[in-house]
Amino acid sequence: EDKVVQSPLSLVVHEGDTVTLNCSYEVTNFRSLLWYKQEKKAPTFLFMLTSSGIEKKSGRLSSILDKKELFSILNITATQTGDSAIYLCAVHSGGGADGLTFGKGTHLIIQP
Amino acid sequence: NAGVTQTPKFRILKIGQSMTLQCTQDMNHNYMYWYRQDPGMGLKLIYYSVGAGITDKGEVPNGYNVSRSTTEDFPLRLELAAPSQTSVYFCASRGTASEQYFGPGTRLTVT
Repeated sequence: EDKVVQSPLSLVVHEGDTVTLNCSYEVTNFRSLLWYKQEKKAPTFLFMLTSSGIEKKSGRLSSILDKKELFSILNITATQTGDSAIYLCAVHSGGGADGLTFGKGTHLIIQP
Repeated sequence: NAGVTQTPKFRILKIGQSMTLQCTQDMNHNYMYWYRQDPGMGLKLIYYSVGAGITDKGEVPNGYNVSRSTTEDFPLRLELAAPSQTSVYFCASRGTASEQYFGPGTRLTVT
């Protein structure tokens, strides 16, 4: 059974801090790892990672994948209150049902 | 471009009632999915479809049914609603890449 574990489950920091969110996985026939941001509504796509060691970057957010150690991190620098959300990690595998296997998410709260 | 739309946004059902959650996408995607999200949990796959006329079970299919008569539409049917089906339901679709696009969700309460 595919498994995705995120840590920490919740995190409270002050505006301007840098945060690192973790995601480890055990899946059959890995295809890709995806990060989503969820703010009380539907998840919105952030990054898709398929290759080890190649950093994806979008503004203050960046992510990298390690396929040998089976984990990914999502970094957010110079955090803002608008970054407060649940960050979901998901893996797309080629085994069994199609669809994404999600972790429980990291609930990030940025205090002013 | 509407993307993925879902109706209704909210619904309260009594135990034993039935209903259909509607999902439509206008991106001509072959792959469509239904997930449920319970508080403090990630999303769990209920059913999915790889194209019109083809559907298959996900991780938590019991109590649900789906159909896919067109590329655009992927309705989810709840028969004999139970309190355990209280959840937020998300429909999603994708093209050939892994990235899925999600609808706004339906919040369902069964009492």
